Amino acid sequence: EPEVTQTPSHQVTQMGQEVILRCVPISNHLYFYWYRQILGQKVEFLVSFYNNEISEKSEIFDDQFSVERPDGSNFTLKIRSTKLEDSAMYFCASRSRGEQYFGPGTRLTVT
Amino acid sequence: GESVGLHLPTLSVQEGDNSIINCAYSNSASDYFIWYKQESGKGPQFIIDIRSNMDKRQGQRVTVLLNKTVKHLSLQIAATQPGDSAVYFCAEIKGGGTSYGKLTFGQGTILTVHP
Repeated sequence: EPEVTQTPSHQVTQMGQEVILRCVPISNHLYFYWYRQILGQKVEFLVSFYNNEISEKSEIFDDQFSVERPDGSNFTLKIRSTKLEDSAMYFCASRSRGEQYFGPGTRLTVT
Repeated sequence: GESVGLHLPTLSVQEGDNSIINCAYSNSASDYFIWYKQESGKGPQFIIDIRSNMDKRQGQRVTVLLNKTVKHLSLQIAATQPGDSAVYFCAEIKGGGTSYGKLTFGQGTILTVHP
């Protein structure tokens, strides 16, 4: 069964450093998403991406965040200068016409 | 308003019992409501959804009920099994236009099933 994959599973970085979180969505999907989940809290929408452009973004997704689909398979989330409060699980999701399929997440720890 | 933080609602049941997990939503314009299951260390997994023009939908061992009058959604799990232990999130989605596909999650409920 096809699935969304994410790498790395855990990323530790120092405050102020740039990080890139990588996702490989399901191959025939057209819509892509990033969500984050701070420990013990609900999942929060960050950004949606369709047809090679951002279709919607939340207030969390400020100028420090960017997304890219550099080729036909990868979907990345970049945080330019990480802050302590960026520590969270980051989930990638993709969909075709129906439900969203989530990846296993990347745990980002900012020290 | 919603309560968020470390103190998620919890539900403990015995194996074989039926479980009911509740959720209050806020956006009356939402088109779909969805239940997700999240096991420890994993991403949310789709369980069942319901369109806003329905009040009940059944799946395998699960039933979702939607009460639009009071903006309430519930998930019923029949004959709960230890493998059902997880955090359950409701989510809403508004279709159409640039908002299509954005999931707004509610507060989770921790379900623990005791053998």
